[in-house]
Amino acid sequence: QLQLVESGGGLVKPGGSLRLSCAASGFTFSDYYMSWIRQAPGKGPEWLSYISSGGSTIYYADSVRGRFTISRDNAKNSLYLQMSNLRAEDTAVYFCARAGSTWELDNWGQGTLVTVSS
Amino acid sequence: QSVLTQPPSASGTPGQRVTISCSGSNSNIGGNFVSWYQQLPGTAPKLLIYRNNQRPSGVPDRFSGSKSGTSASLAISGLRSEDEADYYCAAWDVKLSGHVFGAGTKVTVL
Repeated sequence: QLQLVESGGGLVKPGGSLRLSCAASGFTFSDYYMSWIRQAPGKGPEWLSYISSGGSTIYYADSVRGRFTISRDNAKNSLYLQMSNLRAEDTAVYFCARAGSTWELDNWGQGTLVTVSS
Repeated sequence: QSVLTQPPSASGTPGQRVTISCSGSNSNIGGNFVSWYQQLPGTAPKLLIYRNNQRPSGVPDRFSGSKSGTSASLAISGLRSEDEADYYCAAWDVKLSGHVFGAGTKVTVL
């Protein structure tokens, strides 16, 4: 069955970097746009980024543009989020999700926790 | 401050109908499809409604969505205890070139 599994979260100091991964299975990964979303403690989801099926089209939220980079490796069925210059306000659970044809996020992973603290 | 506005809470007794509103603008709801997500405590959000009123397979028909102008609504009929969750609306925003979420509505089953 369809599965998305995030990894790479952890504790990082302000100004530090972290790379998240999302392993996809159970569907043809290379056919779908993919997305990263985060959710800070007690808050609603915040969309961060989309990447097209081939990787040529990318969108970012203003809050992370210039600091975060989304990428994918279709040969490895994997999605990535490179995060740099991390701030305390980046502390959240980070989810990867598959995007449907009208931007809906139709399947989500279980999330990985990123904590930015000194 | 979320781009999409939802009431923070809604409640009903078992069997009742509950409606959640989501207000936006021409740059998001007014010109694009709305989706709704259900988040049970401690779990990832789950797609409940897409393209304003379509249900993914497996979502009960007690859940329905609608859109009119720059507003959308999610209705839960025949409310059940397992419907107690947070519900979020979302849409693409052409001005922001990004996906925007509402702040969420917590549904309580009394």
